[in-house]
This record gives sequence, C-alpha cells and structure tokens, in this order.
Amino acid sequence: DGGITQSPKYLFRKEGQNVTLSCEQNLNHDAMYWYRQDPGQGLRLIYYSQIVNDFQKGDIAEGYSVSREKKESFPLTVTSAQKNPTAFYLCASTRGGPHHQPQHFGDGTRLSIL
Amino acid sequence: AQSVAQPEDQVNVAEGNPLTVKCTYSVSGNPYLFWYVQYPNRGLQFLLKYITGDNLVKGSYGFEAEFNKSQTSFHLKKPSALVSDSALYFCAVRDRGGNKLVFGAGTILRVKS
Repeated sequence: DGGITQSPKYLFRKEGQNVTLSCEQNLNHDAMYWYRQDPGQGLRLIYYSQIVNDFQKGDIAEGYSVSREKKESFPLTVTSAQKNPTAFYLCASTRGGPHHQPQHFGDGTRLSIL
Repeated sequence: AQSVAQPEDQVNVAEGNPLTVKCTYSVSGNPYLFWYVQYPNRGLQFLLKYITGDNLVKGSYGFEAEFNKSQTSFHLKKPSALVSDSALYFCAVRDRGGNKLVFGAGTILRVKS
C-alpha cells in the first residue's frame, strides 16, 4: 500500500537536545510538507519542499531544520533553539502540478519534553 | 494573504439528523478549497475539494460541501449523521498561484446516538 510513514509515533526530548522526526513516502510525490498541530490552532506550516535538494521556510520555521536528499524522505530536526517543541507533528506530500491536488498525511509524531 | 475561519469550536448533532460544519475564507482571486477529517492520534484524511464549476461538491463517506462565492463560504454538510462521523474537521484554502495550504482551527463534530 502506498502512503506516508512517520516515525517514531512518540518522542521525548531532553533539555538542550536535538531530535529528528522521520517522514518517508512511497507515493512518488514531488512535494513534501511539515506541519505543527497545537490544540485549537489548526495546522501551521514549518517547512516545505517541492523538489529534491530544495526547501523553503513556512510560517514557523525558527528552531527547526530539514533536508531533502531523496525524493521519498523529508526528515525534520527539532533543535534546542525551539523552546516550546511539545506538539503533534504531521508530514504530508502531494503530487506536483496543479495546486488543487490534495495533500496526503502521515499519522504523526507526538513530541514531548522530558 | 489567505485565511480560513471555522466559527464553531464544536458542533453537536443527533444521529440521523443533518449536519453542517461552517467555513469562511479570504483569498485573493479564485480559491481551491478543501475539507479534511482527523480522528484521534491520526493524520488528516482528505474528504473533498472545490476547484471550479458546480457549487455543490460531493466527497467521501456521504459528505458534500457548498461553495458560495458571494458569502466566501464553503460549508460541509451531510444529510444524515452517523456516530462514526464524530471527529475533528478542518477546512483549508489555497490560492491558485500559491504554494501553501492554509488551515482553519478545526471544528469538533460530536454525533450522539
């Protein structure tokens, strides 16, 4: 089955630690996205990538970094500079082309502070 | 910049009754509009989208949505609610030249038997 796999499902971060969230897709999609979900705030865009080796900041990129070395992979690193990292993180992907293509989502990673 | 408003934090409806989840949007030009559903601790699932043409869009699981350009609204509807429809619903908008999808804050739908 084609889809998006996010791992781990739950992650705990210690003070001053960087952590990396994995996102892999086998849909052959060109574009990939990272969102942060907080209760009552909807989804906010962290970073997105429309093509391999290229990515752009979203609305809340500070304290996060990404890479896009392979089409199927778009890992997100939550750095120690992100002072409030506790949230549900969602990865999504979409085909290239028209902007009305729906985004497909993984099942998320819940990150908490130890 | 585009924006989406979902004016109700929660909608309660009895099983078998019709349901409506409201969404209004702001975007320059003609929009692409989407509805997604989220079950607890899961990702979002696509329900339906409006691109152009017919103002009534039909989607998955018996849901439909009505696009109203003059009121800049895209309300989600279902003629007969099921308990299993209870979930968090998100409306989203994308302008035709943009790279970003902007989401509303979400509406919790509770269907009681």
